[in-house]
Amino acid sequence: SYVLTQPPSVSVAPGKTAIITCGGNNVGSKSVHWYQQKPGQAPVLVISYNSDRPSGIPARFSGSNSGNTATLTISRVEAGDEADYYCQVWDNSSDHWVFGGGTKVTVL
Amino acid sequence: EVQLMESGGGLVKPGGSLRLSCAASGFTFSSYSMNWVRQAPGKGLEWVSSITSTSNYIYYADPVKGRFTISRDNAKNSLFLQMNSLRAEDTAVYFCARGGNAVPIDYWGLGTLVTVSS
Repeated sequence: SYVLTQPPSVSVAPGKTAIITCGGNNVGSKSVHWYQQKPGQAPVLVISYNSDRPSGIPARFSGSNSGNTATLTISRVEAGDEADYYCQVWDNSSDHWVFGGGTKVTVL
Repeated sequence: EVQLMESGGGLVKPGGSLRLSCAASGFTFSSYSMNWVRQAPGKGLEWVSSITSTSNYIYYADPVKGRFTISRDNAKNSLFLQMNSLRAEDTAVYFCARGGNAVPIDYWGLGTLVTVSS
């Protein structure tokens, strides 16, 4: 089955840039979606189809996808960005949604 | 406003059964595929099952295949998950979520907690 690999944690100072990776075999050929989840809350879609921002998501959030790595970039990080972030793809070979293990972003 | 509200969670013994429901409002329910996604305590998100808008296609994650059944009632704007032969490892918050195969999940409910324990 298809596997997505994320770093468990990323730490970043306020105002700096957080980069969260999502690795998978030829993930660049798939559409990657990213979710933000704060403690006790439901996930929120922050990036769809690799790089599209849903309505209401700040432009500080951006995404890219190429080769074996997809990336979520959070620019000018704020305290409110502290959360768990998950990448997701639809695996056509198994007709399954696949989530990455999640990355905890800590704002120092 | 899109709203998804889960119900039916609770404490159940191993081997027992539980039926989750999700009441949808604020959108044309019959036009969207729907999903169940779960999250064990302190763990990440795990997709459980998906059903297309007309129930033509249904998909299950391997850990629940043969034990869980997803269904929907478009007339009542409702999504269901029948869970049988429950195991301790099924303990999780179960989220109802809107989205289809290859179409990202754009709305989530608040979740309902299922605890499997003797």
